[in-house]
Amino acid sequence: AQSVTQPDIHITVSEGASLELRCNYSYGATPYLFWYVQSPGQGLQLLLKYFSGDTLVQGIKGFEAEFKRSQSSFNLRKPSVHWSDAAEYFCAVGDLNAGNKLTFGGGTRVLVKP
Amino acid sequence: DSGVTQTPKHLITATGQRVTLRCSPRSGDLSVYWYQQSLDQGLQFLIQYYNGEERAKGNILERFSAQQFPDLHSELNLSSLELGDSALYFCASSVGQDSQETQYFGPGTRLLVL
Repeated sequence: AQSVTQPDIHITVSEGASLELRCNYSYGATPYLFWYVQSPGQGLQLLLKYFSGDTLVQGIKGFEAEFKRSQSSFNLRKPSVHWSDAAEYFCAVGDLNAGNKLTFGGGTRVLVKP
Repeated sequence: DSGVTQTPKHLITATGQRVTLRCSPRSGDLSVYWYQQSLDQGLQFLIQYYNGEERAKGNILERFSAQQFPDLHSELNLSSLELGDSALYFCASSVGQDSQETQYFGPGTRLLVL
């Protein structure tokens, strides 16, 4: 069965500093990978997704992610964090064999220091 | 605003009771998904419907059931509620049922079982 691991439960970063959130997946075939963001009291918003092609994917709000098959990773990055980026971030893998089911990681909560 | 609506926003009820959560997908979307977000289990896929038919099932308890109506809205029924059912329940929708499709999430229904 597929699984997603986000090793960091919490990350604190200063405003203007760079951010990298780690995501490792386990999946038997070529994965469909997603990053979602959940702001306090809100639903999940898609930041970006990877299906195939270029392994560096650009998303909204200045985020990007890189797919590395050899490391089974799909890490999310942002060069310069804004206070509004404080939120919880979820990595997910789509399962081709079960409809369009998403399996989520445990999430990483990002705190932004002024 | 994702275009997915969920009602009610909050629900407080007692153990043993039954509740119904409602979801209206984005206009034109045929697939509806239900997810549960709890502190101990994280974000878990419950069930998917496509154009009125059940498409995939996840870790959904037998006390829980769902359906999708001809107008494509969906309802999640939770019965014989237990304290552990307290969670945030998300509905998501997508155009079709392909794993490459983006799922758009609603704001969620927060259920508290006392």
